[in-house]
Amino acid sequence: GDSVTQMEGPVTLSEEAFLTINCTYTATGYPSLFWYVQYPGEGLQLLLKATKADDKGSNKGFEATYRKETTSFHLEKGSVQVSDSAVYFCAPNAGNNRKLIWGLGTSLAVNP
Amino acid sequence: GAGVSQTPSNKVTEKGKYVELRCDPISGHTALYWYRQSLGQGPEFLIYFQGTGAADDSGLPNDRFFAVRPEGSVSTLKIQRTERGDSAVYLCASSSRPGLNTGELFFGEGSRLTVL
Repeated sequence: GDSVTQMEGPVTLSEEAFLTINCTYTATGYPSLFWYVQYPGEGLQLLLKATKADDKGSNKGFEATYRKETTSFHLEKGSVQVSDSAVYFCAPNAGNNRKLIWGLGTSLAVNP
Repeated sequence: GAGVSQTPSNKVTEKGKYVELRCDPISGHTALYWYRQSLGQGPEFLIYFQGTGAADDSGLPNDRFFAVRPEGSVSTLKIQRTERGDSAVYLCASSSRPGLNTGELFFGEGSRLTVL
């Protein structure tokens, strides 16, 4: 069935470090791919998206590229900040009804 | 309002009681979704409304769960005979794009339900 596998957390980095959070998926059809972020005490919010192969989504210094051949959508940021501490969710929409398929989330803690 | 509003933010109840959770979506958003999220998990789909009708309720776990959206705006999730396993954060999201073939959802902060 449709599924998402995310890098296990928690991930702990120092400020200004490079971040990669891996995401691979199994999805029927041709999914669009999304990263959502959940900051402490706040609701989930869309971080970035990509709708077709080789598209790059970007926002707030984060980037992810739709890799159809490897069914991956890894999240990267060149220099993380303390304010990036949050839980990150990779979510393709897939299947006949195109529902969002959620991973378990990856918790990121950035230390000053 | 500016965002999706959910009330109450916290609800503690006893096993067997009835609970209602309310969601006020972004004005003009025709699509409304309910999810629930347990600690350390991703959101679990419950039900999707397009306008007043439930277009997909396949995620409701059993017949104790019911949701309505009578005027196509505010929605209420109703849980009868609550069980301890119902404890979770219930999330509401809305979207301006009809259909499930979208992923651009705007979420509320959730209603944390604790069943003792």
